[in-house]
Amino acid sequence: GQQVMQIPQYQHVQEGEDFTTYCNSSTTLSNIQWYKQRPGGHPVFLIQLVKSGEVKKQKRLTFQFGEAKKNSSLHITATQTTDVGTYFCAGRFGGYNKLIFGAGTRLAVHP
Amino acid sequence: DGGITQSPKYLFRKEGQNVTLSCEQNLNHDAMYWYRQDPGQGLRLIYYSQIVNDFQKGDIAEGYSVSREKKESFPLTVTSAQKNPTAFYLCASIAPGAQETQYFGPGTRLLVL
Repeated sequence: GQQVMQIPQYQHVQEGEDFTTYCNSSTTLSNIQWYKQRPGGHPVFLIQLVKSGEVKKQKRLTFQFGEAKKNSSLHITATQTTDVGTYFCAGRFGGYNKLIFGAGTRLAVHP
Repeated sequence: DGGITQSPKYLFRKEGQNVTLSCEQNLNHDAMYWYRQDPGQGLRLIYYSQIVNDFQKGDIAEGYSVSREKKESFPLTVTSAQKNPTAFYLCASIAPGAQETQYFGPGTRLLVL
C-alpha cells in the first residue's frame, strides 16, 4: 500500500540551531501537506505543496517539494522554544481522497 | 464560533464495553475523518465519510463502526472487538477547495481499564 516515510523520528537541538525533517514516498504524490502538533494538542495545518520543485516559506520555516514529487522537507532556521512539537507530513496519492500521514518528527528545543 | 468539537476529552472503558466518541462540526464541511494516534506514532485512518449517509473503511477499521446521518455529526463507536483500543482519537473535516486543509478536533483520549 501507499506509505509516506518520515525521518528522523526525534530531533533534539539547542535553541538557535536549525532543524530539518524529511518525507519520502516510493510513488508520486499529487500533493503533500505539513502539520504541527504541540504536546497534548491536535495537528494544525501548516501548508500544502502541489507543484514539482515547489518551495514555500513561512517566516523561519521553509517547505520544499521534490522535482519528482516523491519527497518533501521542512526546514526551520534558528529554532525557538515555541517550535517544540511533532511535525507531520501527509501525502495524497492520485485520485484518493485520503491523506497518508508520516510517523512524524518530534522536535525538542533546549534553551 | 466555528470549529470541530469532540467529546468527551477523556474516556475510560471497561473491557468488553462498546463506547461512542462524539465528533461535531459547524463548518459545513462535507468530508469527515477519524484517525487513531498511538504514543510516538503518526495518524492512522479508521473511517472516513465524504457525504451524508456514506462512509468508507480506512486502514484500521476492524473493531470500529461509524454513522453519518447528519452532515454535522460523525460519531465513532469503539466496539469490544477492538483488542487494543487505548489511544488518542482525532476527528477531522476537510475544507473544500484547492487547499483541502484538514481541520482537527481537540481529540479524545480513550483508556481501557
